[in-house]
Amino acid sequence: EAQVTQNPRYLITVTGKKLTVTCSQNMNHEYMSWYRQDPGLGLRQIYYSMNVEVTDKGDVPEGYKVSRKEKRNFPLILESPSPNQTSLYFCASSLGLGHEQFFGPGTRLTVL
Amino acid sequence: AQSVTQPDIHITVSEGASLELRCNYSYGATPYLFWYVQSPGQGLQLLLKYFSGDTLVQGIKGFEAEFKRSQSSFNLRKPSVHWSDAAEYFCAFSNAGNNRKLIWGLGTSLGVNP
Repeated sequence: EAQVTQNPRYLITVTGKKLTVTCSQNMNHEYMSWYRQDPGLGLRQIYYSMNVEVTDKGDVPEGYKVSRKEKRNFPLILESPSPNQTSLYFCASSLGLGHEQFFGPGTRLTVL
Repeated sequence: AQSVTQPDIHITVSEGASLELRCNYSYGATPYLFWYVQSPGQGLQLLLKYFSGDTLVQGIKGFEAEFKRSQSSFNLRKPSVHWSDAAEYFCAFSNAGNNRKLIWGLGTSLGVNP
């Protein structure tokens, strides 16, 4: 089954404790992206990747890192999480820019 | 600036009634247009898309949307709403340039009364 998976689905952590949210897709998509969703603010892009070893900032990259060492994986790293990063995070993939994006189920992160 | 406006934050309709969700975009050319749905606790799923050709596009779950260039609109419609359609609906567009970034609306929350 074609899908985007994210782990964990729920995470509660404390300020400053490094964490990684994994994202994996099995559709051989070149383009992958991370979004955060906050009430009243809609979806905002954090980072995206056009292909292996090619990543770029989205609209709200501060406080986040990503890497794309393999085509299927695109982890989101929070080196020192802060409470303002409490949000619902989505990973998405697509064949390329402008194409339909396939979304993961989301990761709800709470930073205390 | 490129943007998407969904004027209605929340809409409630009765089951069986027709539905129209509005979407207007601001962009200097014809974009690629999308409607996504997010059911409670779920990720986003594509309902339909418009790239070119027939301006009335059919999607999944009985939804359709019509692209109107003169109004810069891409409204989503369904003739008869089911209770399971209660969800958040997002309109988005991608520009046709080298950086085909997706620009998202803020969403419309749909409630369905039995």
